[in-house]
Amino acid sequence: AQSVTQLDSQVPVFEEAPVELRCNYSSSVSVYLFWYVQYPNQGLQLLLKYLSGSTLVKSINGFEAEFNKSQTSFHLRKPSVHISDTAEYFCAVSLPGGGADGLTFGKGTHLIIQP
Amino acid sequence: ETGVTQSPTHLIKTRGQQVTLRCSSQSGHNTVSWYQQALGQGPQFIFQYYREEENGRGNFPPRFSGLQFPNYSSELNVNALELDDSALYLCASSLWVPNYGYTFGSGTRLTVV
Repeated sequence: AQSVTQLDSQVPVFEEAPVELRCNYSSSVSVYLFWYVQYPNQGLQLLLKYLSGSTLVKSINGFEAEFNKSQTSFHLRKPSVHISDTAEYFCAVSLPGGGADGLTFGKGTHLIIQP
Repeated sequence: ETGVTQSPTHLIKTRGQQVTLRCSSQSGHNTVSWYQQALGQGPQFIFQYYREEENGRGNFPPRFSGLQFPNYSSELNVNALELDDSALYLCASSLWVPNYGYTFGSGTRLTVV
């Protein structure tokens, strides 16, 4: 079975400052890694994913995440945040081979942008 | 390309009742999974359907059941509702091998009173 740990339940940061949201996972096999964002009273939106290949993946809105196999981590970063980035961020894993276990999520990190 | 749509958006039920939630998959997706998200928590995997059969289940009791139809739409049924079933229920569609990730609907907010 897989598990995901998001070390920070809440991260306050000032607008235009950099941010890192931490994610560690546990699995005995290779996994796909995802970051999802959830705005208040909405569903989940895929932010970015790592399937294979380059360990650094980027989204269109300035976020990036780096897969580190030795540390079993997939931390999310953004060099300069905006008020509109205020949301809940979820890290998740799934099995790559069409597994029937769905996604395993962390408990989420609430990113709070302070003006 | 249409996304994932869920209905209804909000629902209030009484303890002991039964409820049915509905989900239409994104065009081209053949796999549907359901998640329960309690307030302040991450989503928890309920089960997954592929080719109209349940092929994976999380740690949920049998009173949580579902269906997948030939057009890949899906239903989640919950019998004998309990207060702890109050949550946001999310539907996600994907390909069997989720190379493009999972597309989520906006969810159904279920309140059990």
